[in-house]
Amino acid sequence: QSALTQPPSASGSPGQSVTISCTGTSSDVGGYNYVSWYQHHPGKAPQLMIYDVNKRPSGVPDRFSGSKSGNTASLTVSGLQAEDEADYYCGSYAGSSNFMIFGGGTKLTIL
Amino acid sequence: QIQLQQSGPGLVKPSQTLSLTCAISGDSVSSNSAIWNWIRQSPSRGLEWLGRTYYRSKWYYDYAVSVKSRITINPDTSKNQFSLQLNSVTPEDTAVYYCARGGNWNYAYWGQGTLVTVSS
Repeated sequence: QSALTQPPSASGSPGQSVTISCTGTSSDVGGYNYVSWYQHHPGKAPQLMIYDVNKRPSGVPDRFSGSKSGNTASLTVSGLQAEDEADYYCGSYAGSSNFMIFGGGTKLTIL
Repeated sequence: QIQLQQSGPGLVKPSQTLSLTCAISGDSVSSNSAIWNWIRQSPSRGLEWLGRTYYRSKWYYDYAVSVKSRITINPDTSKNQFSLQLNSVTPEDTAVYYCARGGNWNYAYWGQGTLVTVSS
């Protein structure tokens, strides 16, 4: 069982928006602004999409955005495109005992 | 352009030691701004951070509680790489292992991944 809770699946049609949630506790997501999101196409290395809750690395489209409210972080993908179909994982710093934890992943399907 | 190239065996016998290496190009393992990590992924455990090393006037090491008694991460400045050793492996350690370069608790650069199967 993963430490952060994500819905197993999400879907949307091209052009639509979808939001994926990532729920933790006050000891991880709620306690630090070190939430990150990764896109993972099977057989390839994960790609960092969002870090520090809402920052985008260079090269990541601005269709991807992140936010946090309390113990829940969210990744929103706007203007869905076929290439956005992938697994998405959240991660969070969890303090000096547990360090880094991840969610179980959400499979995003483009309808 | 930072690139990480992993190497190491894909099959390890139970109770033996898993050893992987991550060769770095485009950066230095001794960089004062980089953090070098090992992360694994399995169907049963999902993504799991294993540990990290970094240099800030001296070398630092942090390990996940779940593997702390069995893991060693070592930098090799002469070859600009870092390694993972996981002792006393069981089938539960079967996973795809990734090396990754990070900042503060995020990972922008990843190795290609190595599927390691623990089986006799």
